[in-house]
Order: sequence, then structure tokens, then C-alpha cells
Amino acid sequence: DVKVTQSSRYLVKRTGEKVFLECVQDMDHENMFWYRQDPGLGLRLIYFSYDVKMKEKGDIPEGYSVSREKKERFSLILESASTNQTSMYLCASSLLVARGEQYFGPGTRLTVT
Amino acid sequence: GENVEQHPSTLSVQEGDSAVIKCTYSDSASNYFPWYKQELGKRPQLIIDIRSNVGEKKDQRIAVTLNKTAKHFSLHITETQPEDSAVYFCAASFGNEKLTFGTGTRLTIIP
Repeated sequence: DVKVTQSSRYLVKRTGEKVFLECVQDMDHENMFWYRQDPGLGLRLIYFSYDVKMKEKGDIPEGYSVSREKKERFSLILESASTNQTSMYLCASSLLVARGEQYFGPGTRLTVT
Repeated sequence: GENVEQHPSTLSVQEGDSAVIKCTYSDSASNYFPWYKQELGKRPQLIIDIRSNVGEKKDQRIAVTLNKTAKHFSLHITETQPEDSAVYFCAASFGNEKLTFGTGTRLTIIP
């Protein structure tokens, strides 16, 4: 079974803090994604990566950056957390972008106070 | 970029009845249309997908139809059961581009 894990299920941070969310997959997938999920807005893509050290902006990249130093690990960074970044963050991975199943992690519920 | 609209946002059906969720997309070049199911407190999981060279695909009680001319696709669930209660997301993509998701439909099956 594909396993996608995320570093934390729940996280509480203060405004202005730098926040790291980590995602690890164990199936040698080339592609990895970061989404945020908000009620009524669905899943919105923040960033994705199709190879080590490669990254592409998604639909809502503002306020976020990413890092992919190893194939299995994809990190989402909030440089200076703000209250409007309070959300559920989901990581996903797949073999082929869009043409194959995306496997999701369990999510990290981030609260910024 | 691609825009996907999904309706309805909530849907309640009696157990045993059918449920239909509809999505429209904006980019006529989109050619891959998956559906994901997210049970309460769990991660989204792919339940069925369809590619643009096919008009309909069925998997047991679940079917998806695609109308390329009208740029819409639908999820049909027959003989609904309590375990079908979840949030369903449609999505669309073109080639190697990213998936664009709809806003989700919360389906509740009434026993």
C-alpha cells in the first residue's frame, strides 16, 4: 500500500512564526503536491513538484514556499504565518501528474493565533 | 486556467435511492476527470476516473458520464448505502497539468 505521512496532525502557531510542514511518501513517486482544504472552497493547490529540486506554483502560492531535496520528502514552508493561513493542509503524491491516482496524506490542521 | 464548478454543495437521499453530482469545467482541452471521496476525518481517495475518449465508465454501483461538447461530467451512485455518506470532489486536468478540484458535495444517506 502507498503510504503518505505528514509530520503533524495538529499544529498551533503564532502570527509571524515560520512554520514547516513535512510530507513523506514511500512509493518512489515522482510527483508531490501541497493543497489546502477550506469549507466551501474544496482542495486548492499551493505548490507541486515533479522531480527533486523542481517546483511549480499552484493556484494559491502566495505566502508559501516549498522544498524538495529528496524524492520522498516535500516540505511546505510558511515564512511568516498569518491567521488567514489557518486551514487543513493535505499532501499528496502520484506516479504521473494528473494521469494517475493521487494518494493523500492524513492532513495537518494548522491554527495560527 | 481551468475552473471546475460542482453542484450541489449538499445532497441528502434516502438509503436505496440514487444520487447524482454534477461538475462543469472551463478548459475544453481537459482530458482527465477523476472523482475523490473523503469520509469524515479521513483523507480523500480516488473512487473512479474517466478520460476524454470515453463517454461513460461504471464500477459496481458507481458510474461517471462525460459530455465533452457541453463540458460537464457527472457521478452517479445507485442503491445508496450509509457508507456512501461522505464529501465527494470532482476534478479536471489536461495532459501533465495539475488537477483542479471542484468545491465538493456533502452527501448524506438517510437510513
